[in-house]
Amino acid sequence: QQQVKQSPQSLIVQKGGISIINCAYENTAFDYFPWYQQFPGKGPALLIAIRPDVSEKKEGRFTISFNKSAKQFSLHIMDSQPGDSATYFCAASIGAGSYQLTFGKGTKLSVIP
Amino acid sequence: EPEVTQTPSHQVTQMGQEVILRCVPISNHLYFYWYRQILGQKVEFLVSFYNNEISEKSEIFDDQFSVERPDGSNFTLKIRSTKLEDSAMYFCASSLQRALAKNIQYFGAGTRLSVL
Repeated sequence: QQQVKQSPQSLIVQKGGISIINCAYENTAFDYFPWYQQFPGKGPALLIAIRPDVSEKKEGRFTISFNKSAKQFSLHIMDSQPGDSATYFCAASIGAGSYQLTFGKGTKLSVIP
Repeated sequence: EPEVTQTPSHQVTQMGQEVILRCVPISNHLYFYWYRQILGQKVEFLVSFYNNEISEKSEIFDDQFSVERPDGSNFTLKIRSTKLEDSAMYFCASSLQRALAKNIQYFGAGTRLSVL
């Protein structure tokens, strides 16, 4: 019930294309959903986050889409660039006294010129 | 930009030995966390720490593990008697607040622990 399932495990996208990474969860108590970006040799860094009271959040080229009824959320990277090549983790948190992050397994994105 | 720093970047130890992983959180942060990532698996929560005590811990964080903030700047994770299965990347994180939307956890680059 605490799991967050992430797919795909790896993704290759042409420069300028759209990268889409999907996550699904079971625990309806989750109410905060961040995405983290990790470059080799660095720790995960917060990219964008969403609460379940909105269906979409956009920051620049990055958009989170959230489907509460399906218990799914996804990250869309528009106009993908080689500099976006990294590992992306979705995560979820319950809040209400618990702020531990439950992570997905990660998606390694490669954007090729 | 302030960052969480972790040392060492790679620690090699023999099974049964004690190891201490060190972290310097961002200076004005109040909440501290340890996560680990076994190779090829997801990042897993170990423990959170606030006001000099553990506020939450996972099933992984058993009696072999302990955390300490010895001097107001460092935050350490100690594994008393390492096992082969403790081999993983250990991430330290810190956050300024716990209010849900502001619980931005900043991660260090990690310490790779290899238990031989």
